[in-house]
Amino acid sequence: AQKITQTQPGMFVQEKEAVTLDCTYDTSDQSYGLFWYKQPSSGEMIFLIYQGSYDEQNATEGRYSLNFQKARKSANLVISASQLGDSAMYFCAMRRTSGNTPLVFGKGTRLSVIA
Amino acid sequence: KAGVTQTPRYLIKTRGQQVTLSCSPISGHRSVSWYQQTPGQGLQFLFEYFSETQRNKGNFPGRFSGRQFSNSRSEMNVSTLELGDSALYLCASSLEGRGLTDTQYFGPGTRLTVL
Repeated sequence: AQKITQTQPGMFVQEKEAVTLDCTYDTSDQSYGLFWYKQPSSGEMIFLIYQGSYDEQNATEGRYSLNFQKARKSANLVISASQLGDSAMYFCAMRRTSGNTPLVFGKGTRLSVIA
Repeated sequence: KAGVTQTPRYLIKTRGQQVTLSCSPISGHRSVSWYQQTPGQGLQFLFEYFSETQRNKGNFPGRFSGRQFSNSRSEMNVSTLELGDSALYLCASSLEGRGLTDTQYFGPGTRLTVL
């Protein structure tokens, strides 16, 4: 079974600073994908970034980067130059490639950006 | 390209009633997945449809059902509503619903309140 752990229920960051949101995962699969989603108070889950288990380089998408450490089974999200609009819940998720498997989500981290 | 749309956005029902939620995927996407989000249980997978067939199912009672139409639009139905069914129901679409890079894109959700 797959499991995602996000140990930070809530975090605060000053505007324009960088912040790291932690995510560790547990799986016996060799081939899997890791995803980060942002959920503002409106409820919609917004896809941010993806990392495949065989990708050698860390994924980046604008101000978002994923610090992937396969041996440690961690996939931390780094947000650079935080903005007030980054305040939201952030979810780490994974899915394996065998068959059509659903996303498994962590409990989420609530990020609050302070002016 | 239009995103995933869900209707209605808000719904209030009483115990014992039934409810139908609708989801229109991104054009060209053939896989539609449904998730239930509650404060206590987090995000839990309900089921996935592909080409009008249920391809995967989560651990929910038979009161939860769904279907997919030939245009990939999907509906989910909950019969005999219970207080515990109060949740945000999220629909996600993807191209094929399988493969590492097949990202799921979510709609804004339907917030169901059962009184």
